[in-house]
Amino acid sequence: DAGVIQSPRHEVTEMGQEVTLRCKPISGHDYLFWYRQTMMRGLELLIYFNNNVPIDDSGMPEDRFSAKMPNASFSTLKIQPSEPRDSAVYFCASRPAGGTYEQYFGPGTRLTVT
Amino acid sequence: GQQVMQIPQYQHVQEGEDFTTYCNSSTTLSNIQWYKQRPGGHPVFLIQLVKSGEVKKQKRLTFQFGEAKKNSSLHITATQTTDVGTYFCAGSPNDYKLSFGAGTTVTVRA
Repeated sequence: DAGVIQSPRHEVTEMGQEVTLRCKPISGHDYLFWYRQTMMRGLELLIYFNNNVPIDDSGMPEDRFSAKMPNASFSTLKIQPSEPRDSAVYFCASRPAGGTYEQYFGPGTRLTVT
Repeated sequence: GQQVMQIPQYQHVQEGEDFTTYCNSSTTLSNIQWYKQRPGGHPVFLIQLVKSGEVKKQKRLTFQFGEAKKNSSLHITATQTTDVGTYFCAGSPNDYKLSFGAGTTVTVRA
């Protein structure tokens, strides 16, 4: 299995631009999570989906952030408009419904907003 | 909301020595997980603890879950350079949503 796939791996954009981060979870996994990691705030859960349905988006910082999961093999996290304080590493993770509750993380997208 | 506190934030260890990192939750947890993140990498699952008082070992790593299911620890014996990285505990009240501690970043002096 290829694991969780994220793209792009690096993104540099100017303040005010729209940014879209993409994630392909591991096939057969029912849960998908979006995290943000910064030095100041650590690893924060932004939103998670179960069977493509958003379950908890209480970690989404503000209305500039939105996430979708149109099907079981694809999810996006969009920031519009982006701000310098959004600079962080964004991780996508997935896990199956049964078994242990282990989450499999993707390699992350390092976002820099100038 | 649930908070997971982890100490120490940094651990500088002489190769061959032991160390322990601690994790405390403000609420009772359903389970606790430990992850390791190498510099520049992503978190990788190490283990999950579910039962009160549970102890699990992985080679030189020993994980414990407290009796009250509100605290946990990771003890590493005979530290090696391959142990470098940040160790996170992550607690869950409901088996779905994880709250990560701030992590313990480990450096090793050869």
